[in-house]
Amino acid sequence: VQVLQSGGGLIQPGGSLRLSCAASGFPFTKYVMNWVRQTPGKGLEWISSITGTSGSTFYADSVKGRFTISRDNSMNTLYLQMDSLRAEDTAVYYCASSPDTIFGAVMPSWGQGTPVTVSS
Amino acid sequence: ELVLTQSPGTLSLSPGERATLSCRASQSVTSSYLAWYHQKPGQAPRLLIYGASYRATGIPDRFSGSGSGTDFTLTISRLEPEDFAVYYCQYYGGYSPPLTFGGGTKVEIK
Repeated sequence: VQVLQSGGGLIQPGGSLRLSCAASGFPFTKYVMNWVRQTPGKGLEWISSITGTSGSTFYADSVKGRFTISRDNSMNTLYLQMDSLRAEDTAVYYCASSPDTIFGAVMPSWGQGTPVTVSS
Repeated sequence: ELVLTQSPGTLSLSPGERATLSCRASQSVTSSYLAWYHQKPGQAPRLLIYGASYRATGIPDRFSGSGSGTDFTLTISRLEPEDFAVYYCQYYGGYSPPLTFGGGTKVEIK
């Protein structure tokens, strides 16, 4: 199981950014995919999940209405579109896979993380 | 909304010692959905325990989890140098958001 992240970087407040996560080594459509972030020096915060085939989406209140999770099952790739970015969105963003078809499962495999800095 | 409170915030121990980490839930939860992860500096979290007491693939048996209801414990029987890290508990049940992480316990070398 491997998840390889890309995207991220420095962006001004109010800007947009898209993160990607390419998965391999497991049946992608049978896994829920998640985004978890970690602010500098702080703990882990779950922010979004998407189920495998139905594509049902779930969001934390802190990002609802600003972030959009999606997946391309033909490409085994997960995305996080981040709009209206704020300074408090500055964090390392991780994608993580959950071996289940419904929301709410443990996360055995994580990407390497990608830093996002929101600053003018 | 569920809150997971981990204690202590920092645990200072020597290699070979036993570590006992606590995770307390603000309401009773199903133990089947309680996990523990550890994270070393600059690395992604790694799953240690799921279902409160089941070791994930490749996790040595010096790691054990227990608990039910609102109180859960991660025990490391004899600390190895690679075990010094930050440990997080997570509740992943309920079938609705959010998925909740505790604030973490740092296990540092004394």
